[in-house]
Amino acid sequence: QITLKESGPTLVKPTQTLTLTCSFSGFSLTTSGVGVGWIRQPPGKALEWLAVIYWNDDKRYSPPLKSRLTITKDNSRNQVVLTMTNMDPLDTATYYCTHSSLVDRGPIPDSWGQGTLVTVSS
Amino acid sequence: DIQMTQSPSTLSASVGERVTLTCRASQSIGTWLAWYQQKPGKAPKLLIHKASTLDTGVPSRFSGSGSGTEFTLTISSLQPDDFATYYCQQYNSYSLTFGPGTKVDIK
Repeated sequence: QITLKESGPTLVKPTQTLTLTCSFSGFSLTTSGVGVGWIRQPPGKALEWLAVIYWNDDKRYSPPLKSRLTITKDNSRNQVVLTMTNMDPLDTATYYCTHSSLVDRGPIPDSWGQGTLVTVSS
Repeated sequence: DIQMTQSPSTLSASVGERVTLTCRASQSIGTWLAWYQQKPGKAPKLLIHKASTLDTGVPSRFSGSGSGTEFTLTISSLQPDDFATYYCQQYNSYSLTFGPGTKVDIK
């Protein structure tokens, strides 16, 4: 059974850097085709894809946010970390960690964490 | 970037009704389209991928169709558990994009 859980600060100040950690179980990020990504959702708004990292360390980023995002993985700890620089109140959202498998369904998120709400405010 | 639109934004329907939601892509995406269901305070749940393939455990009253730029999600007989917001998502490229969603509420 695949599980993912997001952790990180609930409140950050404008201009600060956000660091979120996704801890997962039920799969390995060393398995061919597997990816772990991030998606966010501002309150009452639609979903926005942010980034994904694959088993082979291939990384993809949302073009409008690429300059602010970094995604890394720690296979030994089964964790993926997302950093987002220069946070703004418009970045207030629930941030979800997701699993995908290029072998099974392609790059689409097929399992999701519960999400973590991050508020950006001074 | 590929933009996704959905219509209607809100749909009011009764239990037992057949409902159809529409999703359009700004350029052809073949059948690289997924549908998700999201309930308030919960993470989205994958319903359909590759435009028409039902994900594991999804009830057969859900179906998807379409290709190119126009897609539909149909619920053949709306059940109380189906009142939620539905999002389409394209994955023609590694840069995924979602539509704005269609909220299905009780008439």
